[in-house]
Amino acid sequence: NAGVTQTPKFRVLKTGQSMTLLCAQDMNHEYMYWYRQDPGMGLRLIHYSVGEGTTAKGEVPDGYNVSRLKKQNFLLGLESAAPSQTSVYFCATKGTEVFQPQHFGDGTRLSIL
Amino acid sequence: DQQVKQNSPSLSVQEGRISILNCDYTNSMFDYFLWYKKYPAEGPTFLISISSIKDKNEDGRFTVFLNKSAKHLSLHIVPSQPGDSAVYFCAASGLQGAQKLVFGQGTRLTINP
Repeated sequence: NAGVTQTPKFRVLKTGQSMTLLCAQDMNHEYMYWYRQDPGMGLRLIHYSVGEGTTAKGEVPDGYNVSRLKKQNFLLGLESAAPSQTSVYFCATKGTEVFQPQHFGDGTRLSIL
Repeated sequence: DQQVKQNSPSLSVQEGRISILNCDYTNSMFDYFLWYKKYPAEGPTFLISISSIKDKNEDGRFTVFLNKSAKHLSLHIVPSQPGDSAVYFCAASGLQGAQKLVFGQGTRLTINP
């Protein structure tokens, strides 16, 4: 039972390159989230999804796009990477019960040169 | 505007003593509060939570207290153990929809032998 799996774990990009981060879950959760963590700022929500085929903007969505074509996968895309997007990205999932926590993957460390 | 604040970036406690981590929030719509623990190179792991209808929740060595009038919550760890050394994040959400979490900046707890 893997839970929440993020790929890749590390990546270095050059400014202007594009890439996609993959989050896969085997928990059958409806809700999925993408966060970024920067030093001294905690985790901030980028985009989220409440079910297959749905996406919505979070607190810091600019420069990112997402897709949820299958319930178990949530993709985060950077179309033209910028140094300000250097961060650690975390995916999380949650079921629909109210008093239930979000479960996190181990993160993707992304550096933009 | 930081809706969830952890004003202590770090805390050092002797093994066996009590660790107290604090968190303040400003949004009166928050009704669900969680603590997560994070080790380096891993994702946040859920520790304990409390809903706004309670003022205390206990799970083994961990107790969370909520003072809704003061918009303040705290996490008590008794007794503290070396394995408790980690970064602790406070998070809050409402009870509707996707229950998007708002995180504090985190407190690095170090337990000294």
